Amino acid sequence: AQSVSQHNHHVILSEAASLELGCNYSYGGTVNLFWYVQYPGQHLQLLLKYFSGDPLVKGIKGFEAEFIKSKFSFNLRKPSVQWSDTAEYFCAVIGTDKLIFGTGTRLQVFP
Amino acid sequence: NAGVTQTPKFRVLKTGQSMTLLCAQDMNHEYMYWYRQDPGMGLRLIHYSVGEGTTAKGEVPDGYNVSRLKKQNFLLGLESAAPSQTSVYFCASSYRPWREDLYEQYFGPGTRLTVT
Repeated sequence: AQSVSQHNHHVILSEAASLELGCNYSYGGTVNLFWYVQYPGQHLQLLLKYFSGDPLVKGIKGFEAEFIKSKFSFNLRKPSVQWSDTAEYFCAVIGTDKLIFGTGTRLQVFP
Repeated sequence: NAGVTQTPKFRVLKTGQSMTLLCAQDMNHEYMYWYRQDPGMGLRLIHYSVGEGTTAKGEVPDGYNVSRLKKQNFLLGLESAAPSQTSVYFCASSYRPWREDLYEQYFGPGTRLTVT
């Protein structure tokens, strides 16, 4: 069965630092991958998604992710984080009729 | 469009009480989902529906029931609440994923449930 793993459970950064959050998926065939963000007290919102084509996907708020098939990875990156990026980030993969989410990474950004 | 709405936003129950959470979407989505979110556990799928009149079990279905009598509504029921069901519950909806590039789950604002 499909699964995703996020090994960074809690990341603490200072503003302007670069960010990379790891996401690995289990399935070796065609995959469709997502990153969602949940700001404190809010619901999940889509950051970006990959279906096919260019493996470097650009999303909202300056985020991007790179699909590397050989590494089964879809890591989320941002060159310079802001305090407002403090949130929980979830990687997800499409399973049969549903999304399968990772356990999430909590990001705290300090001024 | 309101998107995905959930009722109520907060609720406190005593052990053994029952309640129903309502999810409504106005995007004409075929698919609807109920998740629970607990610290360190991420989002876990409780039940989902691929169309009006259909339901299916997710990862953690025990203790919950669901119904999808109308396409726009998806109800989550707790027949006899237990403290282990204290959680934040999120509803989501999506297009049928036959059109892959359209597939995206849209989430509601959540219901914070405490069972004492």
